[in-house]
Amino acid sequence: QAGLTQPPSVSKDLRQTATLTCTGNGNNVGYQGAAWLQQHQGHPPKVLSYRNNNRPSGISERFSASRSGNTASLTITGLQPEDEADYYCSAWDSSLNGVVFGGGTKLTVL
Amino acid sequence: EVQVVESGGGLVQAGGSLRLSCAASGFTFSSHWMSWVRQAPGKGLEWVATINEDGSKKFHVDSVRGRFTIFRDNAKNSLFLQMDGLRAEDTAVYYCASIFGAGCWGQGTLVTVSS
Repeated sequence: QAGLTQPPSVSKDLRQTATLTCTGNGNNVGYQGAAWLQQHQGHPPKVLSYRNNNRPSGISERFSASRSGNTASLTITGLQPEDEADYYCSAWDSSLNGVVFGGGTKLTVL
Repeated sequence: EVQVVESGGGLVQAGGSLRLSCAASGFTFSSHWMSWVRQAPGKGLEWVATINEDGSKKFHVDSVRGRFTIFRDNAKNSLFLQMDGLRAEDTAVYYCASIFGAGCWGQGTLVTVSS
């Protein structure tokens, strides 16, 4: 299945803002938006945002999602050391009739 | 608390079968599409299968179609993945998730297929 495109890595300074991007097409991101997942090394993924910036209970307001056309974005404000992790985007693809994932972005907090 | 808990993983020989289970709680299970996603060691996330709210629509990735079957029991708030004809390349942690509906993801269950 074709996937979504994410930059492999992003580095930002502590307390700064990071914006991670996820590019798809009109059949996936542009169709219903994307969900965002955070995964720390050795741990299962955690949903940060789903269905147009809905945050599950317990997820910090520092994480916010948005979409412009076929590109979804996750903005993390006030970066903390614990934000260092892999971030994946995901979307339903109406053409493939399946879920597509991005390859993940490794966020480093300097 | 919104939660899904997987079980049923283990070590199996190539060609064998396993049935994974996922117990959901804290949300209206019968209202949400549910999915299985896997992650091979050191790799990214790979979608495996998705089922709609009442089980009438099922979708599987090409690599497992005909070998794996997703199904659900809404009366028991449970999701299942029947895996037959297992191959070494199916070795992964398998996660149960409501990615777009309830926004929840499980802790995973490890499936190891020995060749």
